[in-house]
Amino acid sequence: DIVMTQTPLSLPVTPGQPASISCKSNQSLLYSDGKTYLYWYLQKAGQSPQLLIHEASNRFSGVSDRFSGSGSETDFTLKISRVEAEDVGLYYCMQGKQLPLTFGGGTRVDIK
Amino acid sequence: EVQLVDSGGTVVQPGGSLRLSCAASGFNFDDYTIHWVRQAPGKGLEWVSLIGWDTVSAYYADSVKGRFTISRDQNKDSVYLHMNSLRIEDTGVYYCVKDKTLLMTWSGFDYWGQGTLVTVSS
Repeated sequence: DIVMTQTPLSLPVTPGQPASISCKSNQSLLYSDGKTYLYWYLQKAGQSPQLLIHEASNRFSGVSDRFSGSGSETDFTLKISRVEAEDVGLYYCMQGKQLPLTFGGGTRVDIK
Repeated sequence: EVQLVDSGGTVVQPGGSLRLSCAASGFNFDDYTIHWVRQAPGKGLEWVSLIGWDTVSAYYADSVKGRFTISRDQNKDSVYLHMNSLRIEDTGVYYCVKDKTLLMTWSGFDYWGQGTLVTVSS
């Protein structure tokens, strides 16, 4: 199985300041079709997860441009340029390259 | 608008059975794989199973293999998760999830249902 490791576990942030979450996989997520199957999700309290970033760096439809994804192979980063109160919640990375599909343990973002 | 409506969750005794349903709308159902993902209380996300757009490909997490069966009805735009020999550790919210990529057996997820709670308890 591909193991996904997220850091930090918890991230207190000041509104208006940037934030960054790291996700590492123990195998390359680059597939033979040239795509990198890494996804970022946000789960707000009491809600279903929602897609933020697909294929490592593509913002999903309707997602604020404050969110950006970067990285390749095994090292990935989600950045929030200026955190807003509505960004609080649990952030998960997930690999879609190989079964079983696996998630990182989650990073809790909250406001200082 | 893409919608996935999960239902069927309830309280069941260990060893019991349950069928979850997922009704899909707002996209061409026949062209997309559908997954089930679960979340134990206060825990992270765990992929459970998928049924491919081809209606034939079906895969399971090791934790449920041999106990759960996934199926889909192309006429009703619905997916089902048949759960047998339920264990306490199967307790959690089960989400029906749409695969993002057209005509791929799996990739990532774009749309999630609201979730349905399964509680396995005596």
